[in-house]
Amino acid sequence: EVQLVQSGAEVKKAGESLKISCKGSGYSFTSYWIGWVRQMPGKGLEWMGIIYPGDPDSRYSPSFQGQVTISADKSITTAYLQWSSLKASDTAMYYCVRHDSSSEDFDYWGQGTLVTVSS
Amino acid sequence: QAVVTQEPSLTVSPGGTVTLTCGSSTGAVTSGHYPCWFQQKPGQAPRTLIYDTINKHSWTPARFSGSLLGGKAALTLSGAQPEDEAEYYCLLSYSGARVFGGGTKLTVL
Repeated sequence: EVQLVQSGAEVKKAGESLKISCKGSGYSFTSYWIGWVRQMPGKGLEWMGIIYPGDPDSRYSPSFQGQVTISADKSITTAYLQWSSLKASDTAMYYCVRHDSSSEDFDYWGQGTLVTVSS
Repeated sequence: QAVVTQEPSLTVSPGGTVTLTCGSSTGAVTSGHYPCWFQQKPGQAPRTLIYDTINKHSWTPARFSGSLLGGKAALTLSGAQPEDEAEYYCLLSYSGARVFGGGTKLTVL
């Protein structure tokens, strides 16, 4: 069974660093991309970026380039999203999603990680 | 960056049919944008309904279908059920760069 399991909720202060995770299981981790999606409170989905753990090749939406870092450790089948200095505006739910580039499918989603940043 | 547009809200009667659309600021949406459609209910993670314009997952109810219509991607719901009340998002690919639409809040009433 394919699963993406994300790390738990985080409460941080502005200026702190953070790394959240998305662990894939039940499939060949290095054969699929992992994307990250932001959802601010009461708002829509925003595409942040994507990584191919097999390379690793990462690509960012212009809105998030330089604001976050996407990485992966294929040895533990885990993708990461990290911030070096959080802002209150980073408060949101973050989802990871698996992407099959051969079928252009975004099929399995993580359960989400809620990040709360106080100013 | 392109802007992807969806109807902010739509209402459908139970058993009725409704079409949600997904347009692009760059022009007509084509199969080369690989449109995907996602359903999100309150407090839940999104769920993928349609990928690559028309393809369904095993978990996609048969009453949902994807297409291209009038230069936009479209999601048609035929025979709406109360459990279909949700937010629906489309996602388009622009040579690998992805952009979500703003979402459509679908009410079944």
